Amino acid sequence: GNSVTQMEGPVTLSEEAFLTINCTYTATGYPSLFWYVQYPGEGLQLLLKATKADDKGSNKGFEATYRKETTSFHLEKGSVQVSDSAVYFCALRELGGTSYGKLTFGQGTILTVHP
Amino acid sequence: GAVVSQHPSRVICKSGTSVKIECRSLDFQATTMFWYRQFPKKSLMLMATSNEGSKATYEQGVEKDKFLINHASLTLSTLTVTSAHPEDSSFYICSAPFRTDTQYFGPGTRLTVL
Repeated sequence: GNSVTQMEGPVTLSEEAFLTINCTYTATGYPSLFWYVQYPGEGLQLLLKATKADDKGSNKGFEATYRKETTSFHLEKGSVQVSDSAVYFCALRELGGTSYGKLTFGQGTILTVHP
Repeated sequence: GAVVSQHPSRVICKSGTSVKIECRSLDFQATTMFWYRQFPKKSLMLMATSNEGSKATYEQGVEKDKFLINHASLTLSTLTVTSAHPEDSSFYICSAPFRTDTQYFGPGTRLTVL
């Protein structure tokens, strides 16, 4: 079956540091890939997505590239802010059929950014 | 953007009672909704797929008689935890697909069973 593996957290950084959160996946076929973010006390929000190999998703300074050859979708940001402190989830979506919309999530990575 | 709401946001109940959680898509119709359970410091575990007008599809290991799902309309799905026990205490989250490749999540419901 499908699975998503994220780097273990928590991750603690100083403001303006570079962020990488690793994500690898196993899937049949060619899934769509997502990063979701969960701010304290809020629901999950879509951060970015990529639907095919070599696509780069980007939003709010975050980027991730769909790497089919390494089955990875690592999240990066060049300069984090305190407001980026949240839990980040990598996810994949199966294509079509009865699995439409079904997401498989990684375990989540807690990011804390200090001033 | 599309909004999904959940009610209640928090509920505390006694062991043996049943609790109903509502998930609503506020400005779009959703023939399918998903129910997840999130454990502390863990990922979201998909429990079931709620289908409007038909039976829900449960993931392996999820007791369908314990977690009753009803998708009564194109904007409402309910999850009822029957005969709740302390081990059912968790954070329950619903989501609804919107157009292609986009899902909107509810804010979650914190269930505590005493």
